[in-house]
Amino acid sequence: DTGVSQDPRHKITKRGQNVTFRCDPISEHNRLYWYRQTLGQGPEFLTYFQNEAQLEKSRLLSDRFSAERPKGSFSTLEIQRTEQGDSAMYLCASSPTRGTEAFFGQGTRLTVV
Amino acid sequence: GQNIDQPTEMTATEGAIVQINCTYQTSGFNGLFWYQQHAGEAPTFLSYNVLDGLEEKGRFSSFLSRSKGYSYLLLKELQMKDSASYLCAVRDQDAGNMLTFGGGTRLMVKP
Repeated sequence: DTGVSQDPRHKITKRGQNVTFRCDPISEHNRLYWYRQTLGQGPEFLTYFQNEAQLEKSRLLSDRFSAERPKGSFSTLEIQRTEQGDSAMYLCASSPTRGTEAFFGQGTRLTVV
Repeated sequence: GQNIDQPTEMTATEGAIVQINCTYQTSGFNGLFWYQQHAGEAPTFLSYNVLDGLEEKGRFSSFLSRSKGYSYLLLKELQMKDSASYLCAVRDQDAGNMLTFGGGTRLMVKP
């Protein structure tokens, strides 16, 4: 499978716990995006990487959220001290530098109880 | 920043034609995208417009008017499997070329 891969697909955690999600982009894609989507809404931008550099970060992203992309390959998104409001689908997408569309992974559905 | 508006829900009949509109405001427009998303699944790419005019791809067509900040997605010969959310997204070169999505239009196709 050469598409965008996300792990895990589902995560249930207790409020206050930390969680980490992983995204493996399409191998030749330099750009990697993280989005969050709640039911009935469009994806909301969280952050964006060009290779290993984090170039954009949403103002909506609290200090509890951090993302990394070491070596410009896979990326991780960590949420510390999770809250019930963090329950959502977390989508990763990648695109080539001069490409058009972004390709999305299947997402990680987070439920905070 | 960006502001993207599209209707929340639409209903259409199998075999018919439906047009989903999208209006946007952005400072550094660098392309408009339409994605299809079935419930519980990832968005999948449908179309891309960066110049004014109509792009046709099988049963789906997308139109763009940059001066009006307006696009539409046209779906012909509707099938039941077309029931999904349709997401309009704008790429902004002033914001790292990231995509900003509208809230999506949930299309229900009825027999």
